[in-house]
Amino acid sequence: AQSVTQLDSQVPVFEEAPVELRCNYSSSVSVYLFWYVQYPNQGLQLLLKYLSGSTLVESINGFEAEFNKSQTSFHLRKPSVHISDTAEYFCAVHPQGGSEKLVFGKGTKLTVNP
Amino acid sequence: AAGVIQSPRHLIKEKRETATLKCYPIPRHDTVYWYQQGPGQDPQFLISFYEKMQSDKGSIPDRFSAQQFSDYHSELNMSSLELGDSALYFCASSPRRTTGAGAGYTFGSGTRLTVV
Repeated sequence: AQSVTQLDSQVPVFEEAPVELRCNYSSSVSVYLFWYVQYPNQGLQLLLKYLSGSTLVESINGFEAEFNKSQTSFHLRKPSVHISDTAEYFCAVHPQGGSEKLVFGKGTKLTVNP
Repeated sequence: AAGVIQSPRHLIKEKRETATLKCYPIPRHDTVYWYQQGPGQDPQFLISFYEKMQSDKGSIPDRFSAQQFSDYHSELNMSSLELGDSALYFCASSPRRTTGAGAGYTFGSGTRLTVV
């Protein structure tokens, strides 16, 4: 079985500041890792994913995440946030091979203040 | 590009009533997943279908059932509704057969069910 821990339930930051949203996972098998973003009253949108290859993955809107196998982490970072980045961010995993059911973390609510 | 379509967007039901949620996957996607997200909670996996057969089952109550039809759309049937069933229900689809696991799926916008 897999589990995901998002260490911070809420992260308030000022606009243009850097941010890191932490995600650690536990699994007895190799996993694929995902970050989803959920804007208020909207659905889940895939932000970025790690399947294989380079451990640093980037999204089109400036976010990046680095897979660290030894620390079983997949932290999400952005060097300079915008007001529009205010949303809930979910880290998720599913095992390589077999079931594709996603196991989500509890989410981190990012609030960007002017 | 076509996305995952869920209907209805909002649904209000009384306790003990039944509800049917529908999901239309992206064309050529063969796998459908259902998730439930309670207020302030993370999404929880309910059930999935691959090529019209149930492929995995999560924390789905016995009062709920689901199926995938020949056109790959799926329906989640919920009976004897309880107040605690109020949640956002997401459907997602993936091209599992053609792309393989790990491709990541596309979520619909969800159906917000309110039980009063």
